[in-house]
Amino acid sequence: DAGVTQSPTHLIKTRGQQVTLRCSPKSGHDTVSWYQQALGQGPQFIFQYYEEEERQRGNFPDRFSGHQFPNYSSELNVNALLLGDSALYLCASRPGLAGVGEQFFGPGTRLTVL
Amino acid sequence: ELKVEQNPLFLSMQEGKNYTIYCNYSTTSDRLYWYRQDPGKSLESLFVLLSNGAVKQEGRLMASLDTKARLSTLHITAAVHDLSATYFCAVVVYSGGGADGLTFGKGTHLIIQP
Repeated sequence: DAGVTQSPTHLIKTRGQQVTLRCSPKSGHDTVSWYQQALGQGPQFIFQYYEEEERQRGNFPDRFSGHQFPNYSSELNVNALLLGDSALYLCASRPGLAGVGEQFFGPGTRLTVL
Repeated sequence: ELKVEQNPLFLSMQEGKNYTIYCNYSTTSDRLYWYRQDPGKSLESLFVLLSNGAVKQEGRLMASLDTKARLSTLHITAAVHDLSATYFCAVVVYSGGGADGLTFGKGTHLIIQP
C-alpha cells in the first residue's frame, strides 16, 4: 500500500517564477492538506482540500493556490515566487473530512528560490 | 489565533536519562498529535491524543493530554541514541464543516549522547 507521494523531490526556481507541486494521497484517503516548513521551523498550514473544494485556509497570501482532482490527488501552485518561499512543502492526507484519525505526511518537495 | 508553544526548543541529554517535553496551546482543542522528524525527512506520526486524560505509550515514549490545562507532555524514559530527532506537537484548528488544519509548535530538537 503506497503512502503519500509527492513530486518533484527537489526544485530550484528564481524569483518571480511560478511553481506547481503535486501530491497523491494514501490509498483510501480523500482529504489532502498542504504545509510549508521553513528551515528550523515547524510546518505551517496552507490549506485543506476535500471533494475538490478548498475547505480551510491558513494565513497565506493568494499567491498560494491549489486544486484537487477527482482521483483525490492535489496540486499546490505558487505564483510570483519570493526568496522567502524557499522551504520544504509537505502534503498530508487522511480519510474523510471530519474524522479523528491521524494525518499521514508525504516525503515533501524541497523548493529553493534564488 | 491558536498558538502552540513547545519547551524546551533544544535538549541535549545522556543515554539512560529521563526527560519531558512540554506542549502548551492557547485555545480549546481536544485533539493533539505528536510527530517525529529526522533531519531532511518528513514527519512520522507518534501519537494521536483525542480526549482529556488520554495517555499513550510506545516503547520509551509516553504522551499525555490535559485539555483543561491545555497541556500535553511527551516523556522519554531511559533515552537511547536512536531517539535523537526533532519532536513536534500539533493541535487541530477546527473550522466549519469539520476541516482540521494542524497548528504546529516550533519543535524540540533532541540530541541524545552516549
